[in-house]
Amino acid sequence: AQRVTQPEKLLSVFKGAPVELKCNYSYSGSPELFWYVQYSRQRLQLLLRHISRESIKGFTADLNKGETSFHLKKPFAQEEDSAMYYCALIGAGNMLTFGGGTRLMVKP
Amino acid sequence: NAGVTQTPKFQVLKTGQSMTLQCAQDMNHNSMYWYRQDPGMGLRLIYYSASEGTTDKGEVPNGYNVSRLNKREFSLRLESAAPSQTSVYFCASSARGTGNEQFFGPGTRLTVL
Repeated sequence: AQRVTQPEKLLSVFKGAPVELKCNYSYSGSPELFWYVQYSRQRLQLLLRHISRESIKGFTADLNKGETSFHLKKPFAQEEDSAMYYCALIGAGNMLTFGGGTRLMVKP
Repeated sequence: NAGVTQTPKFQVLKTGQSMTLQCAQDMNHNSMYWYRQDPGMGLRLIYYSASEGTTDKGEVPNGYNVSRLNKREFSLRLESAAPSQTSVYFCASSARGTGNEQFFGPGTRLTVL
């Protein structure tokens, strides 16, 4: 069975500090991984996917198959980054499996 | 372009009542999905429809039924609501299966008393 774990329910940092939101997965095959974000009063939306290897809004995420991780990082957090972040995986059955989510709060 | 729309936004039901959650998309997407979101558990897939005329069970299908009415519309029905179905329900769509970006609706907050 595939599983996505986000160990932190809440992460609080000060503006300008580095941010790392952790995501670990379990899946026996080659996964496709995503980060989705939900800002206050907005819809859930795609932030980035590992196959694109892109940086969106200053965020990057690297797939580490050895550690089965896909942590989301940003060197300098901004207040507008405050949101709920979900890591997600496509594996067996082509279904998207979400982690439990991490709420990021960036304090001024 | 409204994207993915859901009705209603809020609903309160009594145990045993039935209701249908409506979802429509105007992006000509083939695939549509229903998720429920519970605190600390992320989003869990209830049912999905890879293309018009097909539906498949997701991770938590018990107590729900779906209908892919046409390419635009995908409804979720609770035949006999239970308190365990209190949740926020999200509809989503994507162009071709889950490998493509999923676009989400605003959600329906359902409370079952």
